[in-house]
Amino acid sequence: EDQVTQSPEALRLQEGESSSLNCSYTVSGLRGLFWYRQDPGKGPEFLFTLYSAGEEKEKERLKATLTKKESFLHITAPKPEDSATYLCAVRDSGTYKYIFGTGTRLKVLA
Amino acid sequence: NAGVTQTPKFQVLKTGQSMTLQCAQDMNHEYMSWYRQDPGMGLRLIHYSVGAGITDQGEVPNGYNVSRSTTEDFPLRLLSAAPSQTSVYFCASSQTGLSSGNTIYFGEGSWLTVV
Repeated sequence: EDQVTQSPEALRLQEGESSSLNCSYTVSGLRGLFWYRQDPGKGPEFLFTLYSAGEEKEKERLKATLTKKESFLHITAPKPEDSATYLCAVRDSGTYKYIFGTGTRLKVLA
Repeated sequence: NAGVTQTPKFQVLKTGQSMTLQCAQDMNHEYMSWYRQDPGMGLRLIHYSVGAGITDQGEVPNGYNVSRSTTEDFPLRLLSAAPSQTSVYFCASSQTGLSSGNTIYFGEGSWLTVV
């Protein structure tokens, strides 16, 4: 059964304190791993799509990486505006279903 | 570019009432879906559609109906609302293709309370 597990559930960082969020997944055939940012009262906002192990993508202070079993979202020198819930999702081959993790709530303190 | 538009934003229903959550997208996406988001549960798929006239069940379909008469619209109907359906509902869409991992894009959500 497809499964996505995110850790930690919550993370508090000081401004400038770099860290990483983890997304572990189990699928029979990966057709994409997706990272989203969700602010309170808003819909998930797309950040990255990764397709194969070894792939990396960057956007401002965020960098997403992918292995065969997990993905990391690295946050370098975060700012308070990076505070949000970060969601990870996968799509398995042979299905149109996207499976989401429960997210990591990030709080960056000034 | 509007993207995915959901209405209403907020709704309060009494137990047993029916209602329809509307979803429209202007990106000519063939794939559309409905999720509910509950604390500690993440986003769970209710129903999805891969094109006009084609729908299928997701993880939590009971108590909900969908139809897809046009590419643009994918309404979600609650037949007889129950307190357990109190949640935030998100509509999402993407280009389709079983062999591709297309990114899905979300609407802003509909907050539903059933009393």
